[in-house]
Amino acid sequence: AQTVTQSQPEMSVQEAETVTLSCTYDTSESDYYLFWYKQPPSRQMILVIRQEAYKQQNATENRFSVNFQKAAKSFSLKISDSQLGDAAMYFCAYRSGDFGNEKLTFGTGTRLTIIP
Amino acid sequence: NAGVTQTPKFQVLKTGQSMTLQCAQDMNHEYMSWYRQDPGMGLRLIHYSVGAGITDQGEVPNGYNVSRSTTEDFPLRLLSAAPSQTSVYFCASSYAPVLAGLTQYFGPGTRLLVL
Repeated sequence: AQTVTQSQPEMSVQEAETVTLSCTYDTSESDYYLFWYKQPPSRQMILVIRQEAYKQQNATENRFSVNFQKAAKSFSLKISDSQLGDAAMYFCAYRSGDFGNEKLTFGTGTRLTIIP
Repeated sequence: NAGVTQTPKFQVLKTGQSMTLQCAQDMNHEYMSWYRQDPGMGLRLIHYSVGAGITDQGEVPNGYNVSRSTTEDFPLRLLSAAPSQTSVYFCASSYAPVLAGLTQYFGPGTRLLVL
């Protein structure tokens, strides 16, 4: 079974600075997908970024980028120019590449605080 | 475009009561699922469906039933609520499995308190 580990329960960063959230995972599969979801106080789960394992290039979405290290099974999220609206819980999630296996396996989350 | 909707937003039940959490999506997604979120445990899959008429168990199915009579709706039923089912419940949907890798879209969640 796949597992996802987020070893940082809480992180904080000064506004406008850069912060990196860590995520590691364990799998025996070679084809899979990784996601970062943001959960603000409203509790809505919002997709931040996703990465296909077969792609070597790291995904980026505006101020958000990932460092995907397939061999190390590491998938960290970098948030540049942090803004107050980035304050939230961030969840790393894994999805198998098998057709029909749509299950997402989540980490336990990292609570990010932005310091004005 | 409403996306994924869930009702109610909040519910209080007494032990032994039954209720149905509603989930609907208007994106013609074939795949739908239910997760529960508990403190310190992330989200865990309860049940899922890959299309109308097809459902299967996830990681923590005990105490919950589902059915999928239409593409749009995927209700979650608690037949006899227990305090251990106090949680926040999320419904999610995505396109057909053949389009693997596409994002799961989440509803706003239902907060359930069982006394």
